[in-house]
Amino acid sequence: NAGVTQTPKFQVLKTGQSMTLQCAQDMNHNSMYWYRQDPGMGLRLIYYSASEGTTDKGEVPNGYNVSRLNKREFSLRLESAAPSQTSVYFCASSSQGAKTRPQHFGDGTRLSIL
Amino acid sequence: GEDVEQSLFLSVREGDSSVINCTYTDSSSTYLYWYKQEPGAGLQLLTYIFSNMDMKQDQRLTVLLNKKDKHLSLRIADTQTGDSAIYFCAEQAGGFKTIFGAGTRLFVKA
Repeated sequence: NAGVTQTPKFQVLKTGQSMTLQCAQDMNHNSMYWYRQDPGMGLRLIYYSASEGTTDKGEVPNGYNVSRLNKREFSLRLESAAPSQTSVYFCASSSQGAKTRPQHFGDGTRLSIL
Repeated sequence: GEDVEQSLFLSVREGDSSVINCTYTDSSSTYLYWYKQEPGAGLQLLTYIFSNMDMKQDQRLTVLLNKKDKHLSLRIADTQTGDSAIYFCAEQAGGFKTIFGAGTRLFVKA
């Protein structure tokens, strides 16, 4: 089982460039999430999509946009990359039907902005 | 607001028990989770506990919950070098969000 797949795994950008991070899940989950992970700060929620057709801001949405393309795919776009967006980005998904809703994570995209 | 706090580092000797502690603020949390992150990988669910339970045991893992003090702990018995990783505590808050702590980096010395 693939679970949550993120592409690319690594990327280096120059300040001002744009980029889209891709995420797909094959677990038929309703909800999907984008986080960034920075040293000593844990995971911070950027955007989430509770269900297909909806997206909402998380804790740190500035400088990012998202698209829930269909139930499987949730992409994160940086329109004009800044050095402060250097981070490891994780996509996650969860079911909303069960009482427990643990999140399933991809392996991350390591993004450096010069 | 909602917050989850953990100590950042823990160092133990191989074969000893490790205890990782966590406090949370949302008393309405229904489920509390422990995740493990190995280098270069995403978070993997280790175990979880329902808020009306005090303890849950799963092989070498024991989760203790003190709901009154909003304190959660993860005990790893007979800690091995393969247990070296970052451990995240998380609470399933209202709505669709899960609140994560900053993670505790566990070092296991041979």
